Amino acid sequence: SSELTQDPAVSVALGQTVRITCQGDSLRKYYASWYQQKPGQAPILVMYGKNNRPSGVPDRFSDSSSGDTASLTITGAQAGDEGDYYCNSRDTSGTYLVFGGGTRLTVL
Amino acid sequence: QEQLIQSGAEMKNPGSSVTVACKASGGTFSNSAVSWVRQVPGQGLEWMGGIIPALGTSNYAEKFQDRVTITADESMSTVFMDLRSLRSEDTAVYFCARDFYNEDGGIEYNWFDPWGQGTLVTVSS
Repeated sequence: SSELTQDPAVSVALGQTVRITCQGDSLRKYYASWYQQKPGQAPILVMYGKNNRPSGVPDRFSDSSSGDTASLTITGAQAGDEGDYYCNSRDTSGTYLVFGGGTRLTVL
Repeated sequence: QEQLIQSGAEMKNPGSSVTVACKASGGTFSNSAVSWVRQVPGQGLEWMGGIIPALGTSNYAEKFQDRVTITADESMSTVFMDLRSLRSEDTAVYFCARDFYNEDGGIEYNWFDPWGQGTLVTVSS
């Protein structure tokens, strides 16, 4: 079982805002990073640390953290944002890296 | 733009070993670690372990500690992942990724970027 918990699936209407959450005790001490994965492709980094966005990632992606929960927010979701989203951070010992179970995003 | 190029798909018998290679197209892994992540078909991402090539130090997830070895050859700009005693449950796509670390206001974080294209390892008799 993962030390980081994500909802298995989330849906959002085209153009609306969606928040994908990641919960775990280690998130009280470490920031998360976020990855988008489409079928048959390698994951790509979309957000990391305290609201850091890689070049090329649209500014409709943002992240935040509060207590034991990290969140990825997509403001004005597009059809191309569909896919699986994974959070990653350290475990509670700080020794190992762990992924959340992933959230499948559907844009309606 | 840097890319990580992985070796090709492998088919292995149960009980054997596999080696997957990951080469940096930019020619160096300096200033970062390299992690390996696997994905069993239909399942999520799983961190296996990583190495800091400049130091040769590695760290493995507890689940894989007795079966995986990650090494680096800086002269070849290549990192290798060896997985032993293969079983059918090891059938998966294996990804390498550059693994960075930083801290902001005393809070640490890691991130993986870029990723290799993935290598399918199939374990079957």
